[in-house]
Amino acid sequence: SQTIHQWPATLVQPVGSPLSLECTVEGTSNPNLYWYRQAAGRGLQLLFYSVGIGQISSEVPQNLSASRPQDRQFILSSKKLLLSDSGFYLCAWSGGEFHQPQHFGDGTRLSIL
Amino acid sequence: GQNIDQPTEMTATEGAIVQINCTYQTSGFNGLFWYQQHAGEAPTFLSYNVLDGLEEKGRFSSFLSRSKGYSYLLLKELQMKDSASYLCAVLDSNYQLIWGAGTKLIIKP
Repeated sequence: SQTIHQWPATLVQPVGSPLSLECTVEGTSNPNLYWYRQAAGRGLQLLFYSVGIGQISSEVPQNLSASRPQDRQFILSSKKLLLSDSGFYLCAWSGGEFHQPQHFGDGTRLSIL
Repeated sequence: GQNIDQPTEMTATEGAIVQINCTYQTSGFNGLFWYQQHAGEAPTFLSYNVLDGLEEKGRFSSFLSRSKGYSYLLLKELQMKDSASYLCAVLDSNYQLIWGAGTKLIIKP
C-alpha cells in the first residue's frame, strides 16, 4: 500500500532563517505531488504541484520554492522566512489521473518568531 | 472567479443526521471531493462524485447536482468522533482542485 511521510511535525524558526520541509511517498511510482498551506480555520491553499521529476508548477508567488529531485521526493524550501509564512504545511500525492483523490501527509506546523 | 461556499460551522446531536451543503461556481467541472479533517490533523478522503446522484458509503453519503452546482454530504447516526471539519473541493476544467474553506461540525451528546 502507498504511504506518505512528511517531516518534521512541528518547527519553530526565527524570521529570516532558511526552511526545508521534506516529503516522500512509498508504494507508488510517478505520483502527482502537492504542497499546500493552511492558515488557522481556513481552507487549503495550493503552493506547488509536480507531475514528474524536475517539473514544478507554482500557484502563488512568494518566497517559497519547491523541488522534486527524485520521483517520490518533494521538498519545500525558503531562503529567508517571513512572519507570514507561519501555518500548517501539507504534502499530498495522487495517482496520475487528476480525478483520483489526493492523500495527505501528517503535516508540519511551522511557527515563525 | 472560482468560488466554493460551505457553511462555516454546524452543530448536531449524537445519533442524529446532518447534511453539509456545498455550492460551487467554477470554470468547468471534473468532479467533486469531500474530505474530513480532524483538528490539527491532515485531511482524509471521504468521497468523489462526478455524475449526478447519491453515492453511499456506510454512514456517509454524498450527493451531486451538476446543473445546480450543488453537493451535500450526509452523515447518519452521528458519533462524537465525527466532530471535524468537512472540506468540499471541485476539480475544474484545467484539473485544478479548488478548495472550500470547510465546515466545522460540532457533535453534542
